[in-house]
Amino acid sequence: GEDVEQSLFLSVREGDSSVINCTYTDSSSTYLYWYKQEPGAGLQLLTYIFSNMDMKQDQRLTVLLNKKDKHLSLRIADTQTGDSAIYFCAERGDAGNMLTFGGGTRLMVKP
Amino acid sequence: NAGVTQTPKFQVLKTGQSMTLQCAQDMNHEYMSWYRQDPGMGLRLIHYSVGAGITDQGEVPNGYNVSRSTTEDFPLRLLSAAPSQTSVYFCASRSPQAGVSYEQYFGPGTRLTVT
Repeated sequence: GEDVEQSLFLSVREGDSSVINCTYTDSSSTYLYWYKQEPGAGLQLLTYIFSNMDMKQDQRLTVLLNKKDKHLSLRIADTQTGDSAIYFCAERGDAGNMLTFGGGTRLMVKP
Repeated sequence: NAGVTQTPKFQVLKTGQSMTLQCAQDMNHEYMSWYRQDPGMGLRLIHYSVGAGITDQGEVPNGYNVSRSTTEDFPLRLLSAAPSQTSVYFCASRSPQAGVSYEQYFGPGTRLTVT
């Protein structure tokens, strides 16, 4: 099946930028997503990017997509302690109904 | 709106016991899904439904049954629990009109332990 990979853990200092990376294998991916999971809660959609785009910016969030290398990243500018959470990358193939999730990256922000 | 609600929050079962995880949403969403979350493995789709009376299997359906008699409710049944089903279970819903954002609304999760 299709695969989505993420590193498990990232630690940054408050005020620094965070970059969370994701690689995927499905060459037919149409949309790619970033979800955030805070402790004890379900996932919440942060942002998404269409596969024919290279970049999308939304306030402190910047998504970069390298479709050739099948690499997606999420940059959080001026990271705050409230950004501490698990971040999941997900891709949607051209079949439509299902998302494939990565294993999640736990972001820890130190004051 | 309460959004997506799940009960119970926590459950401990013995191997071989059965139980039903409840999921309800009050947003009139047609699409509902069940996922399980295991450490380092992200979310894996168990079953999903695109409307009342319609269900389909996801990536890891074995050992689980679902039904969808109403738009609001989508229960997940474990017929004979096994330790491999120890996990956190999330229910999610979305509207087909969510379009390309594909935004799913997740419940708070049920943490299940099978001993």
